[in-house]
Amino acid sequence: DARVTQTPRDKVTEMGQEVTMRCQPILGHNTVFWYRQTMMQGLELLAYFRNRAPLDDSGMPKDRFSAEMPDATLATLKIQPSEPRDSAVYFCASGFQGWGYTFGSGTRLTVV
Amino acid sequence: RKEVEQDPGPFNVPEGATVAFNCTYSNSASQSFFWYRQDCRKEPKLLMSVYSSGNEDGRFTAQLNRASQYISLLIRDSKLSDSATYLCVVNSGNTGKLIFGQGTTLQVKP
Repeated sequence: DARVTQTPRDKVTEMGQEVTMRCQPILGHNTVFWYRQTMMQGLELLAYFRNRAPLDDSGMPKDRFSAEMPDATLATLKIQPSEPRDSAVYFCASGFQGWGYTFGSGTRLTVV
Repeated sequence: RKEVEQDPGPFNVPEGATVAFNCTYSNSASQSFFWYRQDCRKEPKLLMSVYSSGNEDGRFTAQLNRASQYISLLIRDSKLSDSATYLCVVNSGNTGKLIFGQGTTLQVKP
């Protein structure tokens, strides 16, 4: 089965450090989403791309978060500097518009 | 008001029961609708798409009412393995944004 691969699976870092999360979407999928999930807020959309072009990143704190898709096989989400409130599970999902999307297993981030 | 709203539950039901979840959405231009299932500490997984004509997959039936802007999921003959959080998802208008509800927790008990 094709799957979305996210790395790292878990990340513990100190406040102020840079964090980079990576996502390999399913080959051929043209839409990639980044979500953040916490108990309080549920799944929040951070950013998404279609055909590698960023369409909407209004859900991201712009001063510290950035999302890129340097090529069709890699999407990255970077936090610099990280803060304890960024602790969450970050999911990447890929698919085609109008169809269901496949999620990766997530990156569990803890900022201490 | 949130774009997609669900009753968070929890719904506690005995095995074999029929349970229904509802979800409302605010953007009348929304075009695609889905139900996802999420198990504890796992990623969301697509359960089924929702079509205007309604659709059924085994014990699961999904329906869409565009006029009232709500989506439903019916689970018949519930199993212990159905215990999970069920997420209502709307592809918002022509922007393609995929918006999730807060999820409804189902606990099926023996």
